[in-house]
Formats: sequence, structure tokens, C-alpha cells
Amino acid sequence: QVHLQQWGAGLLKPSETLSLTCAVYGGSFSEYYWIWIRQAPGKGLEWIGEINHNGSTNYQPSLKSRLTMSVDTSKRQFSLRLRSVTAADTAVYYCVGWRAVADMGFDPWGQGTLVTVSS
Amino acid sequence: DIVLTQTPLSLPVTPGEPASISCRSSQSLLASDDGHTYLDWYVQKPGQSPQLLIYTLSDRASGVPDRFSGSGSGTDFTLKISTVEAEDVGVYYCMQRLEFPLTFGGGTKVEIK
Repeated sequence: QVHLQQWGAGLLKPSETLSLTCAVYGGSFSEYYWIWIRQAPGKGLEWIGEINHNGSTNYQPSLKSRLTMSVDTSKRQFSLRLRSVTAADTAVYYCVGWRAVADMGFDPWGQGTLVTVSS
Repeated sequence: DIVLTQTPLSLPVTPGEPASISCRSSQSLLASDDGHTYLDWYVQKPGQSPQLLIYTLSDRASGVPDRFSGSGSGTDFTLKISTVEAEDVGVYYCMQRLEFPLTFGGGTKVEIK
């Protein structure tokens, strides 16, 4: 049973860098793609991007110029950095796992981190 | 990008009655290389993170009651709840995993009448 625990700064000013980390407990780290999804207040879900244990990434095109995802396999953690944030980046950010070898959908999900961008 | 359109936006339901949510895609979600249809369903219960219900069109995730079923083909998909229970309230989302960027439908809010 894989469990995700995420953390990061919850309040940012415009132009700052959003930084979130997600720790993976249980399961095989290398069998998963690690994903970030966000949800603006009162809105639907937006896929941000994914990374695997080798560092191979796929990003949301609209965010690609500001986005960096990374993994630390020794710590079983993966991270999200989004530069030059604006109010439009205010959202709950979720870390998510997808076990590629089984291809059974996105599971598990982290508890979510509310990131507010405000001056 | 693949656009997923869900209907209805809101679905008042009576416990014990069936319910149905539609998800229409702007292009076919059938993968030509392996024959799978990469359409998943998720539910976000009040105050919780989303959770997986159905993957690759019709496979139920572990622990999901068999009153939930996914069906469809090509560009038209349906999530059915055979008999709604009070615990099924939440927002239901379809999501396509056929191509990047992955995209979600706008969501359907299921609430008890």
C-alpha cells in the first residue's frame, strides 16, 4: 500500500517560487510515475506534469516555461517547483502516483496543499 | 488538447435510485497500439482528495463497490451508479490518459435530493 505525504509553503507573493515536496511510503518507487495535479478554488482538476524515477518528465505546455519537477530516489521523494507565480497559480496542489507497470489509474493521491499567491 | 465535456453539471439523486454521468471527448480515446480506451473516472468527496473509481474505461479500482460501472467507446462514455447511496455524494470527474497533456472533464456534482 503506497501512501503519499506532501508539504511546502502555503503563502507566496507574486513572482516568488512555489516549491512542494511529496514523500512516498511503501511500494516500489521505481514502478511509478509521480504526478502533480492542481485545483483552483471552486474549480476542476488540472494536470501539471509527471516524472519517473529516472527523471524523465512530461509537462503541461502552458506551465512548461516556469516548471521543474525532480526526484530524489534515495529519499523516495519527488518535488515541484513553479517559478514566477501569480494569483492564477493559487490552488490546492496534489501529488499523485501512477503505477505504470499495472496501469491502473492515478492512485494514491496526497492530502493536498493549499498554495495561495497574494501580495 | 483533448477536451472532455461532462453532463450534467449537477445531479440531484434519490438514494436507492440509479444515476448516470456522461463524458464526451473531442477525439477518440481508443489507443491504436494496444486497443485500450484511456478514460478514467475519479470522485472527490467533500473535503477530500480525489480518488480513483474506474480506470481504462470499465475496470473498477480496488475497493470500489460494484454498483459503480464505466462504459462507452470512442468518444462517448458513461459512469453509472446502479443504486445511489448517501455516501456517493461528491464531484465526479472523467480524465483522459491517451495523450499529453492529460485532461479532465469539468466535473459533475452528485447530491442527495
